[in-house]
Amino acid sequence: EVQLVESGGGLGQPGRSLRLSCTASGFTFGDYAMSWFRQAPGKGLEWVGFIRSRAYSGTTEYAASVKGRFTISRDDSKSIAYLQMNSLKTEDTAVYYCTRGDRFGDPWGQGTLVTVSS
Amino acid sequence: DIVMTQSPDSLAVSLGERATVNCKSSQSVLYSSNNKNYLAWYQQKPGQPPKLLIYWASTRESGVPDRFSGSGSGTDFTLTISSLQVEDVAVYYCQQYYSTPLTFGGGTKVEI
Repeated sequence: EVQLVESGGGLGQPGRSLRLSCTASGFTFGDYAMSWFRQAPGKGLEWVGFIRSRAYSGTTEYAASVKGRFTISRDDSKSIAYLQMNSLKTEDTAVYYCTRGDRFGDPWGQGTLVTVSS
Repeated sequence: DIVMTQSPDSLAVSLGERATVNCKSSQSVLYSSNNKNYLAWYQQKPGQPPKLLIYWASTRESGVPDRFSGSGSGTDFTLTISSLQVEDVAVYYCQQYYSTPLTFGGGTKVEI
């Protein structure tokens, strides 16, 4: 069974950093791109970015709202994708989800809540 | 960026009746080289992550009941629930994956 488990969420201060992890199981992690999405409280879904597989050079793409502040990376030996979030803003408050693939999300993890507040 | 617009924002349907959710993209998401529409539908129940229902506009994900169907091409798409069940109460989102940034519609809340 394919499973994705996000971790690392919590309270972050504006301007500071947090790193989220997405631990995968049930599939050959290195063969797939991995994506991050987020959902602010009571709001809709927003794409954050993705990292392609090594076969596609592991390149990344990001939403304009996070480009230059957030970085997605991966460790294929551990089956983990990371979302490094720097220069946090209050508007980054959301549940962050990781998914498999770089087109549509399938499946989705349960998500991890990030709250940015002073 | 491709803007996705869903309608209605919410709808109430009787048990066993048909529910229809519409999604319109600001530009075509039909890729001419493979004749595929880069459009997905998700279901999100309260407190849960989204669940993929439909991709390529009309391909049902494995395990999704056949009362869910997707149709449309180019810029206009529809998600139909043929006979609404209690467990279908949720918010439904469309998403284009034709180009980055990947974008979603605002969601449609389906109630009984």
